[in-house]
Amino acid sequence: KNQVEQSPQSLIILEGKNCTLQCNYTVSPFSNLRWYKQDTGRGPVSLTIMTFSENTKSNGRYTATLDADTKQSSLHITASQLSDSASYICVVSSPNQAGTALIFGKGTTLSVSS
Amino acid sequence: DTGVSQDPRHKITKRGQNVTFRCDPISEHNRLYWYRQTLGQGPEFLTYFQNEAQLEKSRLLSDRFSAERPKGSFSTLEIQRTEQGDSAMYLCASSPPWRVGTDTQYFGPGTRLTVL
Repeated sequence: KNQVEQSPQSLIILEGKNCTLQCNYTVSPFSNLRWYKQDTGRGPVSLTIMTFSENTKSNGRYTATLDADTKQSSLHITASQLSDSASYICVVSSPNQAGTALIFGKGTTLSVSS
Repeated sequence: DTGVSQDPRHKITKRGQNVTFRCDPISEHNRLYWYRQTLGQGPEFLTYFQNEAQLEKSRLLSDRFSAERPKGSFSTLEIQRTEQGDSAMYLCASSPPWRVGTDTQYFGPGTRLTVL
């Protein structure tokens, strides 16, 4: 069964600290993996997208890694800011007969406090 | 602002009523998706359009749900005879014609439905 598991479920850190969010998946076939940031009450916003051949991709203070062999990804946030408080969702894309299926994780809720 | 708009942003209705939501995708995005998201969960896929053709429907989309994209631009999602379990955030996303490595979906702000 295609699944995306994220950990931790929630995380609280102090402003300025770094943190790493984890994503493990059992999706096959695999097309790409994305990380989204979703503020409360808003739609998800794409942070990074990585294909099979990409190991790391950065977007400002966000750095995503992908190990396609172990089917694991991480999202590292550097020098956290209060505005980083949000839900971070890992999504794996898998091609199927109709096009592309997206399998979403449940997200990690990050709270950055001052 | 991602460019995908949804209307209304909030809808409160009584059980048994019908509701309709609208999604306007980013211009020239030929692919459009509907998702449902409940509190504390990731979005769940409902249905997918490529231009005006509805190519995929999730088993979550019961016969009370219907989606249309008549001209390949905006889309509507209708829920008939609403139930309390339908209370959720309904998200719409769009994406441009598929290219390798650029298959990103752009989400709208969502419509929050509350069924009393």
